[in-house]
Amino acid sequence: GDSVTQMEGPVTLSEEAFLTINCTYTATGYPSLFWYVQYPGEGLQLLLKATKADDKGSNKGFEATYRKETTSFHLEKGSVQVSDSAVYFCALSDRANDYKLSFGAGTTVTVRA
Amino acid sequence: DTAVSQTPKYLVTQMGNDKSIKCEQNLGHDTMYWYKQDSKKFLKIMFSYNNKELIINETVPNRFSPKSPDKAHLNLHINSLELGDSAVYFCASSEIAGSVGELFFGEGSRLTVL
Repeated sequence: GDSVTQMEGPVTLSEEAFLTINCTYTATGYPSLFWYVQYPGEGLQLLLKATKADDKGSNKGFEATYRKETTSFHLEKGSVQVSDSAVYFCALSDRANDYKLSFGAGTTVTVRA
Repeated sequence: DTAVSQTPKYLVTQMGNDKSIKCEQNLGHDTMYWYKQDSKKFLKIMFSYNNKELIINETVPNRFSPKSPDKAHLNLHINSLELGDSAVYFCASSEIAGSVGELFFGEGSRLTVL
C-alpha cells in the first residue's frame, strides 16, 4: 500500500538557517505529492504540491521537487523565520488507492530568534 | 467567513458518554472528510463523504458514526467514549472526490476523555 516516510523531529533552527525535511514515499501507481503545514492551534493547510515527476512545487520560499528515481519529495527553505515554526506533513494521493491522502508522521520545526 | 468550521473546538467528557462534533463548509465542495490526529501528530483518515454518500470508511470502531445531512455538513457522533478516543479530530473538504486537489481543513476539535 501507499506510505510516506519523513524525517523525525523535532528540528530546532536559528533564524535565517537552511531547512531541509526529507520525505520518501512508496506508492502503487503514479502519485501526486504534497506538503501541508500546521501552525500552532490551527488546522492543516496546503503549502505546495507536485503532480508529476520532475515538477517543482514552491510557495512562501519553500520548494520541493518530485524525484521519481529516488521516490522523494524533500522540502527546503533557504532562510527560515520564526513564523515558519510549525508541523510539516508530507503526503501523497494515488489513483490506485482511490486518491486517499496518506500523510507522513509530521516533523515539528521550531525556529529561534 | 471561515471556510471549514467545526464545533466545538474543545470537548472534555467522561468515559462512556456520547458526544458529537459538527462540521460545516461554505466552499461549495462535494467531498468532506474526518481525520483523527493523535498525541504524536499522526493523522489518519476515518471517513469521507461525497455529496452525502459514504465513500471511504477506514477501520474505525462502530462507536463512530458519521452523518451528512447535506453536502455542506458532515457530523461525527461517538458513542460510549473511551480513553483512547482522546485526540484532535479534523474535518476537511475538497472540491471533488478522486482528484488531486487541495484539502481544506478546519481548525480541529480537541476531545479529551477522562
